[in-house]
Order: sequence, then C-alpha cells, then structure tokens
Amino acid sequence: TAGITQAPTSQILAAGRSMTLRCTQDMRHNAMYWYRQDLGLGLRLIHYSNTAGTTGKGEVPDGYSVSRANTDDFPLTLASAVPSQTSVYFCAGNREFQETQYFGPGTRLLVL
Amino acid sequence: QKEVEQNSGPLSVPEGAIASLNCTYSDRGSQSFFWYRQYSGKSPELIMSIYSNGDKEDGRFTAQLNKASQYVSLLIRDSQPSDSATYLCAVDAGGTSYGKLTFGQGTILTVHP
Repeated sequence: TAGITQAPTSQILAAGRSMTLRCTQDMRHNAMYWYRQDLGLGLRLIHYSNTAGTTGKGEVPDGYSVSRANTDDFPLTLASAVPSQTSVYFCAGNREFQETQYFGPGTRLLVL
Repeated sequence: QKEVEQNSGPLSVPEGAIASLNCTYSDRGSQSFFWYRQYSGKSPELIMSIYSNGDKEDGRFTAQLNKASQYVSLLIRDSQPSDSATYLCAVDAGGTSYGKLTFGQGTILTVHP
C-alpha cells in the first residue's frame, strides 16, 4: 500500500504558466483535500471532495481548481500561476468526515 | 471567520521535562480536535484526537479538552529529542464546515539533551 502519493516532489514554475499537481491514493478514502502550507500561517484548505464526482471550496480557493473523476485521483490545477502561490502543497484524505486525515508527502512549488 | 490559535513558541524544554502545547478556538460549536506532529520537511502525522471534554492519554501524550473554555492542549511527558518538531492543532468546527479542518499556525518544540 503506497498510501497517498503526490507528484512532482518539487517544481519551479514561471508566473503565468499552468500546472497540475497530482495526488493519488490507494487507501479507499472517500474524502480528499488540498492544503497549502505557508510559514506562520499553518495549513489552509484550498479545495475538498466528499466523494467522487463532487468538489467544494475551502478557505483559499482562488486561482485553483480541482476535479474528482474517480475515487483515487484528486488533481489540483493552477491555471495561471502567480508568485503568491509559492508554497508547499499537501494532499490529504480520509474514509469519512471526522476520521483521521492522512497526508501525502507534499509538493514544494516556487513560482517566479 | 473560524480561528484556531496556538501558543506562539518556539518552545524549548530539557530532555525528560513536560512540554505543554496550547490551542484555543473561536467556534463554540466545534466537534473534533486533533494534534498533528510535523517534522521539518515532512508531512503532518496525527498523534492525538479528542472529541469530548476531559483528558485522553496515549503513551507519553495527553490531550486535554475544555469546550466551555474553548481550549485544547497537548502534554508530552518525559520529552525526548525525537519529539522536536512543529505541533499543529486542528479543529473540525462541524455544521456547514463538517469534515473540514482548520489548523493553527503551529508551535515549534525543541527538546534539548
């Protein structure tokens, strides 16, 4: 069991370019989440998905989009990156709401 | 705006001492409370969850919840250098936010030999 995997591990991206951060799980999580972590601000929820086919906005959704075509994959897309999107991005999941959220290893993104 | 605040730190304790980490939350209807540990450059990992008032113990870790005071804490007994990490408090406010966690900014703990 791989758990939650994320790709790439790190990326340098030119401002204005688009990029998709990948998140895949083999833990049969129904719910999945994308967070960004910035120094001094903790983890902030970007988007979430309760189950395949549904998504919702978190605390900081602007500039990001997600899709949940199936249970295992939950990609996060930056349509036109800006320097303020420089951050560490974590994907997480749990079987049901209120259960423990398990985190992927993270993607470090630098937007120049 | 649902807020979760942690003692700012950094917190430094000697090996063998008790480390006390504190967290307050603003939404009185919050349902579930979690403590995550995050080593530098790694992802958060859950160490404790607590849902009802009182204490919950797991090995050297004790979580304490007081919903009336909107306060949750984590005590680490017999602190070890391997406990040095950032500790994140997370709250599930329930209601329309059910299932979505709000995190505090984290407290950096250093345990020195």
